[in-house]
Amino acid sequence: NAGVTQTPKFQVLKTGQSMTLQCAQDMNHEYMSWYRQDPGMGLRLIHYSVGAGITDQGEVPNGYNVSRSTTEDFPLRLLSAAPSQTSVYFCASSYSRAPGYGYTFGSGTRLTVV
Amino acid sequence: DQQVKQNSPSLSVQEGRISILNCDYTNSMFDYFLWYKKYPAEGPTFLISISSIKDKNEDGRFTVFLNKSAKHLSLHIVPSQPGDSAVYFCAAPPSVSNTGKLIFGQGTTLQVKP
Repeated sequence: NAGVTQTPKFQVLKTGQSMTLQCAQDMNHEYMSWYRQDPGMGLRLIHYSVGAGITDQGEVPNGYNVSRSTTEDFPLRLLSAAPSQTSVYFCASSYSRAPGYGYTFGSGTRLTVV
Repeated sequence: DQQVKQNSPSLSVQEGRISILNCDYTNSMFDYFLWYKKYPAEGPTFLISISSIKDKNEDGRFTVFLNKSAKHLSLHIVPSQPGDSAVYFCAAPPSVSNTGKLIFGQGTTLQVKP
């Protein structure tokens, strides 16, 4: 059982380039989400999904796109990378609507935009 | 507007003693609170949660206390162990009906000295 798998682990982009951060889970989880972690700011929600075909914006969605065509996959697309998008990105998933149930996080993608 | 706040960036305690990590929130609509632990180069892992109808939840060495009138919660670790050294985040879903997203605090780095 792999849990939540994120690829790549590290990436360097030039300003203006686009790329897709991959996230896959094999736990049949309904909920999936993307967070970014920046120093002193905790984790901030970018986009989230409550099921295949359903996505919504989080706190910091600008510059990012998502889609959820299958239960397993939830890719995050950077449309035109900017230095402000340098961050560590985490994907998370959960099967339960019970709010006290914790999310399972991937190990993260460290992105640097130069 | 930071709805979940962890005002202490770091905490250092001696092995065997109690660690107390604090979290304040501003939104009285929060019904659940969660604590996550994060080691370097890994994703956060769920630690413990508490419902707003309770004032205490215990799981082994970890206990979370909730003071609704003060909009304050704390995580107690007793006894502290060197392996507990990590960043701890408190988090809350904005509402019971919207559990697809979590709002995180900034995190507190705990160092447990042998």
